[in-house]
Amino acid sequence: DQQVKQNSPSLSVQEGRISILNCDYTNSMFDYFLWYKKYPAEGPTFLISISSIKDKNEDGRFTVFLNKSAKHLSLHIVPSQPGDSAVYFCAASVRYGGSQGNLIFGKGTKLSVKP
Amino acid sequence: DSGVTQTPKHLITATGQRVTLRCSPRSGDLSVYWYQQSLDQGLQFLIQYYNGEERAKGNILERFSAQQFPDLHSELNLSSLELGDSALYFCASSTGTGIGQPQHFGDGTRLSIL
Repeated sequence: DQQVKQNSPSLSVQEGRISILNCDYTNSMFDYFLWYKKYPAEGPTFLISISSIKDKNEDGRFTVFLNKSAKHLSLHIVPSQPGDSAVYFCAASVRYGGSQGNLIFGKGTKLSVKP
Repeated sequence: DSGVTQTPKHLITATGQRVTLRCSPRSGDLSVYWYQQSLDQGLQFLIQYYNGEERAKGNILERFSAQQFPDLHSELNLSSLELGDSALYFCASSTGTGIGQPQHFGDGTRLSIL
């Protein structure tokens, strides 16, 4: 049972345009969400996070939106750059319970930004 | 550079053998997490240690064990290895217990079972 789903395995975007990566979750107990970027032969790199008490968080070119009623979050990258080409993972965690703090990951979306 | 160091980067061994993967967390981080990434799976949480104590367990096999030492580095021990254990093993660390905190990942150890 996949609790965090990234339904698009890949996404191709032109340089300078907006990249929108989507993520859906099923567990209503999730209250902290993160996006990671991963280059080949490297570990995931933390990009941005959002708490369930917010619906938007910005950091430079990266903005994460959270829609709790739809159990959906998205990562917007504006403007997209060729260096953004990587696999992006959505992750979530719960605040309470035996698995508190541990991250549940989606399977990733491979973003390609074309010059 | 995340500040999390994993050794070795690559490990090749045979079925039935035992290996130890090592992780040094970022300076000041008290929590260490281990994750497994298989070919067709996303990152799967295995186990978490906080300041030397086991804090949470995920999908970790009984053949696998881990510990966190007083200097906060951690080791993941994998025994009676099977072909299906071939995967990337990542270590991550966070400052506290991990609740509402990002985890910072090392570059992983690639384990290949022949």
